[in-house]
Amino acid sequence: EVQLVQSGAEVKKPGESLRISCKASGYSFASYWITWVRQVPGKGLEWIGRIDPSDSYTNYNPSLQGHVTMSVDKSITTAYLQWNSLEASDTAMYFCARGPNWLDPWGQGTLVSVSS
Amino acid sequence: DIQMTQSPSSVSASVGDRVTITCRASHDIKTWLAWYQQKPGKAPKLLIYGASSLQSGVPSRFSGRGSGTDFTLTISSLQTEDFATYYCQQANSFFTFGPGTKVDF
Repeated sequence: EVQLVQSGAEVKKPGESLRISCKASGYSFASYWITWVRQVPGKGLEWIGRIDPSDSYTNYNPSLQGHVTMSVDKSITTAYLQWNSLEASDTAMYFCARGPNWLDPWGQGTLVSVSS
Repeated sequence: DIQMTQSPSSVSASVGDRVTITCRASHDIKTWLAWYQQKPGKAPKLLIYGASSLQSGVPSRFSGRGSGTDFTLTISSLQTEDFATYYCQQANSFFTFGPGTKVDF
């Protein structure tokens, strides 16, 4: 079964750093891009970016580039999304999903809460 | 940037109804369009890709049409489990999601 399992919920303060993870299983990890999407509670879906696990090539949403960083560790078939300095506006549910274009399946989501 | 709009933003329907949701792209995206269903507290689920191809395991009451800038998702006979929010997504130039259409009672 193709599956993406994300790390648990996080509560952080503004200015803190954070890395969340997305563990893939059931398929050849290097063969499919991983895409990250965020959703502010009660709002719509926003594309963050995507990463090709075979060579770590990335595409970012221009509005978020420089604020978040995507990476992968092929040895443990895991993708990461990280922040060096969180802001309150980063509070959202973060999803990983498989695919460069059509996203399937999705991880269960990681809720990130940023508040002083 | 390619912008996506959806209409209506919400629709009230009953079991057995035929429901059609429209998605419009600001530029020609050919058939680079997908539809997702999201239920509260859950991740989105892929329903349709390539504008009209049904994802494996998705009931045949769901169908998609369109190309270029105008697209539709139709649920031919609404079932209880179909009450959810539906999003379109373009993949012609990176990604953009539509704002969503909530289907409720």
